[in-house]
Amino acid sequence: DTGVSQNPRHKITKRGQNVTFRCDPISEHNRLYWYRQTLGQGPEFLTYFQNEAQLEKSRLLSDRFSAERPKGSFSTLEIQRTEQGDSAMYLCASSSAGTGDNQPQHFGDGTRLSIL
Amino acid sequence: AQSVAQPEDQVNVAEGNPLTVKCTYSVSGNPYLFWYVQYPNRGLQFLLKYITGDNLVKGSYGFEAEFNKSQTSFHLKKPSALVSDSALYFCAVRGGYSSASKIIFGSGTRLSIRP
Repeated sequence: DTGVSQNPRHKITKRGQNVTFRCDPISEHNRLYWYRQTLGQGPEFLTYFQNEAQLEKSRLLSDRFSAERPKGSFSTLEIQRTEQGDSAMYLCASSSAGTGDNQPQHFGDGTRLSIL
Repeated sequence: AQSVAQPEDQVNVAEGNPLTVKCTYSVSGNPYLFWYVQYPNRGLQFLLKYITGDNLVKGSYGFEAEFNKSQTSFHLKKPSALVSDSALYFCAVRGGYSSASKIIFGSGTRLSIRP
């Protein structure tokens, strides 16, 4: 299967610890997105890369959050000094540039973060 | 600012009956509209999209959606529901003149198909 892969699937950690998630997009996709989804809600946009360039960051992305895509392939999302409110599902998606912005995004199965 | 609303938290339908999941949107400029489905503990799966052209869009698993510009709606439909259609459905919109690639998702509608 060559879909979007996210690791780990689950992460449980104590408040104040740092965590890092990884996303491997579909290989030919040059756009990569991170979303956060809490229970009963739709995904909320966090940030977006085109190749290695981070082109947009949501106001939701506090200074404790950082995302990288150093070689334009996989991406990492790091949360420093985790808080209870960070507990959520973190979703990664990728898409091709296509024509304009009409290409659908393909999602991974997410990383569920639980803060104790 | 762009937004999308799914007015129903839950829709219950008997198997074999037609189903509709409602979605309305607000964007400046021409909208790009999407429907996704999410099964438990999984990511979102793309169902269909409207970019331009015919107002009736056909997608995966027998689903279709009707774009209505005057009502700013993009309702998801299926002529005959299956129990396996039970899942969480999200409408999403991309549009406007800034933030060209950001998608805004609705809060989701849980579809429950009873045998």
